[in-house]
Amino acid sequence: QKEVEQNSGPLSVPEGAIASLNCTYSDRGSQSFFWYRQYSGKSPELIMSIYSNGDKEDGRFTAQLNKASQYVSLLIRDSQPSDSATYLCAVIGRDDKIIFGKGTRLHILP
Amino acid sequence: EPEVTQTPSHQVTQMGQEVILRCVPISNHLYFYWYRQILGQKVEFLVSFYNNEISEKSEIFDDQFSVERPDGSNFTLKIRSTKLEDSAMYFCASSAFWDSSSYNEQFFGPGTRLTVL
Repeated sequence: QKEVEQNSGPLSVPEGAIASLNCTYSDRGSQSFFWYRQYSGKSPELIMSIYSNGDKEDGRFTAQLNKASQYVSLLIRDSQPSDSATYLCAVIGRDDKIIFGKGTRLHILP
Repeated sequence: EPEVTQTPSHQVTQMGQEVILRCVPISNHLYFYWYRQILGQKVEFLVSFYNNEISEKSEIFDDQFSVERPDGSNFTLKIRSTKLEDSAMYFCASSAFWDSSSYNEQFFGPGTRLTVL
């Protein structure tokens, strides 16, 4: 059974600090990795995609991928109250099926 | 900015009834998906669709479910005989590319909340 694991949280981070969200996956052949943000009662919103080892930066967001450790993370710099949401890690495996983690609830403390 | 749209936003039905959930994917996208999210649980893949046929489906997508692209814009999910446990948010998504070694970013619609009584 292929799995994507995330700490459910809540992760509480002071406003202006760096929020660090982590995800591990079981399918070593996975090639595509995504971070989605989901506000309560809303649909997932794609915020980052990453395909190769290393870091990928987009504004305040940095995705980090380590395929050897089967680990992908998301850093949010200068956290804002509007960043408070559930962050979903999603992985596409060798079978081309996307698997979502259960999500990490992030709470930015004003 | 182009977006995926879904109708209705909320559907209430009696157990055993058929429902059709509708989606209009982003116009130049070629790959379409349905997901469900039971309240408080994770997003679950149901089915992917490309070139007028199902590409992949999950164990959840049994004979009660079917998908169709009846015209050039709509993509529908039909549940033939709804059960109480079908109550969930159903999300449609679309993407421009499908290559597990390249870009296959999926964009989600706002969802349809299905309530089965």
